[in-house]
Order: sequence, then C-alpha cells, then structure tokens
Amino acid sequence: DTAVSQTPKYLVTQMGNDKSIKCEQNLGHDTMYWYKQDSKKFLKIMFSYNNKELIINETVPNRFSPKSPDKAHLNLHINSLELGDSAVYFCASSQDKGYSQETQYFGPGTRLLVL
Amino acid sequence: DAKTTQPTSMDCAEGRAANLPCNHSTISGNEYVYWYRQIHSQGPQYIIHGLKNNETNEMASLIITEDRKSSTLILPHATLRDTAVYYCIVRAPRSNFGNEKLTFGTGTRLTIIP
Repeated sequence: DTAVSQTPKYLVTQMGNDKSIKCEQNLGHDTMYWYKQDSKKFLKIMFSYNNKELIINETVPNRFSPKSPDKAHLNLHINSLELGDSAVYFCASSQDKGYSQETQYFGPGTRLLVL
Repeated sequence: DAKTTQPTSMDCAEGRAANLPCNHSTISGNEYVYWYRQIHSQGPQYIIHGLKNNETNEMASLIITEDRKSSTLILPHATLRDTAVYYCIVRAPRSNFGNEKLTFGTGTRLTIIP
C-alpha cells in the first residue's frame, strides 16, 4: 500500500484555469505538507496542516488554497493558473509530537505544466 | 535552522563506500542533522538523523564530529540505485505541532558508477 499518494501524477493545463491536486496518507499521521520543486530543482515548503488546522503558510499567493477535509487528506486548489506555477508539487506527512523528531514521508509528486 | 554546505556533486564506484560530507558550522545545541535523498523523479526519502552521537540504520551511517560543525553520511556498499541528490538538513525541534518544515538546500548529486 502506498503511504502517501497524490493524484494526478501529471497535469497539463492552460493559463487561467483552476485545478486541484489531491493528497492522501494512510499512515495515521497528524500533519501534512505541500512542497513545491521548481525547474531549478529547489524544493520549498508551501503549507502545513496539523489536524486540519493551517500551521505554515510560506507567503504563497492566495491563488493557492489548501483544503484539509480530514487529517488523512490535504488537497491543493490553484486558481487562475500562471506559467510560473509549472513545477512538481510534493505532498508529505509526519506524526508530529511537539518536541520529538519525526521524519516526513513524501508522495510521488504531481508534475504540473501550465501552457 | 542552521545553514548547511555540501559539495555539488560526487562520484562513487559501485560496491564502495560513499562518504558524503556536510558542513554546518553555525549549528546550535538543540539542532538535529537530517539526511534525505531524492532519486530522479521521486519524492524525497528520509535516510537518517542524529544529534551528537553517531547513528546507523539499515540504509546508512551518520558520523557527526565532536564539535558538531560537520557530519558525514556513509552508504557502506553503494549500488546503482543509490544514485540520487542527497540533502543535509539541520533543524531544531519545534514547540508547536505541524511546524516541522524541512528547508532543503541544493544537496549533493551522487552518481554511482558501474
């Protein structure tokens, strides 16, 4: 069974469209993240949610709206897509317990290409 | 979180030990050293982490110098499947839940040569 899964794996769309990427984890973790990896391969945090509550929002444009219906899911909705949104988006999860050191488990990524 | 410095790329012969260095001279006392890797077209994968003692697991060993200003990740018998970008990340534990973000640098591109 895949621990962290994302759909779709590939997404090609036109500028100005609205699209969603879904993420699910079956690890029973409390925290989920979205990371973005650009064309230069820099991997950067976008959001984190803990028990459906937004914790980290790294100055991401408000066209990006994460939604967590339950702690096993963290979906990413993107409005008015721009060329610069083309990237690979990775979902991750971890079992955070405050001061303990928990590792993060990453999904396979969603490759978004905006034309 | 403290900044890390890694070589841009390294080669290692298949079957030999791969030693990947990382400098973190500004590390503070409560910061851990983490290693992740990213195999081409896949999501990052956790390898190992440590605070000050050397650590070993089924994937690798982590050697942290006594002053904690640098560390080395050792893959004891490298295989072709170990070709990847390896990231050394330093971070402190967080006081609030969900704030455990990873700050990735540029990493070391390790190529295992047959």
